[in-house]
Amino acid sequence: SQTIHQWPATLVQPVGSPLSLECTVEGTSNPNLYWYRQAAGRGLQLLFYSVGIGQISSEVPQNLSASRPQDRQFILSSKKLLLSDSGFYLCAWRAGGTEAFFGQGTRLTVV
Amino acid sequence: GQNIDQPTEMTATEGAIVQINCTYQTSGFNGLFWYQQHAGEAPTFLSYNVLDGLEEKGRFSSFLSRSKGYSYLLLKELQMKDSASYLCAPSWGKLQFGAGTQVVVTP
Repeated sequence: SQTIHQWPATLVQPVGSPLSLECTVEGTSNPNLYWYRQAAGRGLQLLFYSVGIGQISSEVPQNLSASRPQDRQFILSSKKLLLSDSGFYLCAWRAGGTEAFFGQGTRLTVV
Repeated sequence: GQNIDQPTEMTATEGAIVQINCTYQTSGFNGLFWYQQHAGEAPTFLSYNVLDGLEEKGRFSSFLSRSKGYSYLLLKELQMKDSASYLCAPSWGKLQFGAGTQVVVTP
């Protein structure tokens, strides 16, 4: 069966520090991969999505970047965090047009 | 996003019925998902509509009209555990979500 792993679950980082969040998927090949961010009390904002290795589409210009070095690995990064980067970050995968399955999320607090 | 509109909040009593409406931009559309999200947790899949009509799954049903760019999620026999945010997610290849409708179930 397919599983998705996202870590860490919580993270507190100072302003100006770098960020790396990792997401891996098991049990499927060539998934579509997504990064979303959710501010407190708000909906899911699509940040990046990828249909294959090295193929990244950015939805919102911002302080973040994404990479897909392997088929089932999706990484969200920042060189210098801002206070406004705080939020709940969710990784998700889909196979074609099926439903998306989410990781457990990372709650990031920038202080 | 792609002009996804759904109400911010709805309140209903236990045992009642609630209907959450969602409208979206129809261009390039190829299916619509509904997700449930409890506070502090990841969203979980509820339903998927790709053709017009009603899909029933236990207490939850979802309806789609592609020509009107309209869907609704119907929650019947509400239970306290149904208190959550319900997210409408039209798919245009990539999957985008509405802001969510917070459903509050009261005793």
